[in-house]
Amino acid sequence: SQQGEEDPQALSIQEGENATMNCSYKTSINNLQWYRQNSGRGLVHLILIRSNEREKHSGRLRVTLDTSKKSSSLLITASRAADTASYFCATDASNYGQNFVFGPGTRLSVLP
Amino acid sequence: DVKVTQSSRYLVKRTGEKVFLECVQDMDHENMFWYRQDPGLGLRLIYFSYDVKMKEKGDIPEGYSVSREKKERFSLILESASTNQTSMYLCASSFWADTDTQYFGPGTRLTVL
Repeated sequence: SQQGEEDPQALSIQEGENATMNCSYKTSINNLQWYRQNSGRGLVHLILIRSNEREKHSGRLRVTLDTSKKSSSLLITASRAADTASYFCATDASNYGQNFVFGPGTRLSVLP
Repeated sequence: DVKVTQSSRYLVKRTGEKVFLECVQDMDHENMFWYRQDPGLGLRLIYFSYDVKMKEKGDIPEGYSVSREKKERFSLILESASTNQTSMYLCASSFWADTDTQYFGPGTRLTVL
């Protein structure tokens, strides 16, 4: 089955730097999403990019999608300590959003 | 704001016990989901429901069952808990007209001794 795989597994940067996380998947998708999870909490939806889109922005977030390489990247610019969290990509190939496939996540630490 | 709540943040049970995890959403969402989250594995879908009394198996339904008697409530049942079911359990819901976005509850960390 398709699977999102984030890379790297863990990332540690200084406040103000940019953070880039990557996600690869195996099969065709309808859309790809990024979620954030603070320690011990539920997931919060960040941004969605559809299969016919190549780039999307939301505030300090920039997401790209390359369907030919089956990969996506999430860029967080000018990172803050509050961005410290785990970030997951989720791919959806279903018709009704009933079959998201999540990767294992990237643990981002932003040091003050 | 959408609110998805789960009955317990932390739960400790013994092997063989029957365990109920409750999830309630207040936005009249049709779709509800149960995932488990384990280190290095991400989230894996256990069951989902797209209507009252309807349920569909996800990727790892073995050892679990679900109940959806009311639209706002989706229960996950471990008939006979085992130690390999120790995990973080996350409930989510989505609106039929916007299935792209799932809203998650805070999670229940279940430990089976």
